[in-house]
Amino acid sequence: DAGVTQSPTHLIKTRGQQVTLRCSPISGHKSVSWYQQVLGQGPQFIFQYYEKEERGRGNFPDRFSARQFPNYSSELNVNALLLGDSALYLCASSQGQGLYNSPLHFGNGTRLTVT
Amino acid sequence: GESVGLHLPTLSVQEGDNSIINCAYSNSASDYFIWYKQESGKGPQFIIDIRSNMDKRQGQRVTVLLNKTVKHLSLQIAATQPGDSAVYFCAENIGRGGNKLTFGGGTRVLVKP
Repeated sequence: DAGVTQSPTHLIKTRGQQVTLRCSPISGHKSVSWYQQVLGQGPQFIFQYYEKEERGRGNFPDRFSARQFPNYSSELNVNALLLGDSALYLCASSQGQGLYNSPLHFGNGTRLTVT
Repeated sequence: GESVGLHLPTLSVQEGDNSIINCAYSNSASDYFIWYKQESGKGPQFIIDIRSNMDKRQGQRVTVLLNKTVKHLSLQIAATQPGDSAVYFCAENIGRGGNKLTFGGGTRVLVKP
């Protein structure tokens, strides 16, 4: 079975630009979450979506937004990119809204470099 | 804010020996814990989880221990292999808070042949 898939794998953008990252969850999973992982640190929670509704938001500015589509895939958008947005962006999926009996499974991420 | 932390940033272990990775958490409301393994260039890979109503859980070559009294979590890897070389993260979740995970900074495990 296919795992969580993310595209693109790598991306280089200039400060001030906008970026859209895409994620397809594991088949049957209805929840998608986004995490930012800065080099040398653990992932930081950005958003959770379940059944196309936002169910949680981390401590990130309004420049970060996301949405979930009827097929449960998701997009993460970041506007007005800053150098500090350079990171690995991870998408994760799970079956339900919570984690009991359904751990979070991660994709391999999109490496975003802002120059 | 409260977050999950780790005691040892790097652990070197001889192939065949057992590894123990420690983690301290500070949020007493956390009721679910997960260990992830992350290899270079890949996303975190689920290893094992444990709920707060358990003290110990075993998987294939791995055991997670939870001590709620001192808010401590550990991952034991038996007969460590070269393929176990990676960064290991513990993460905590509050069940009523959806599936948000709070991660620690990670421990790098280096397996020496």
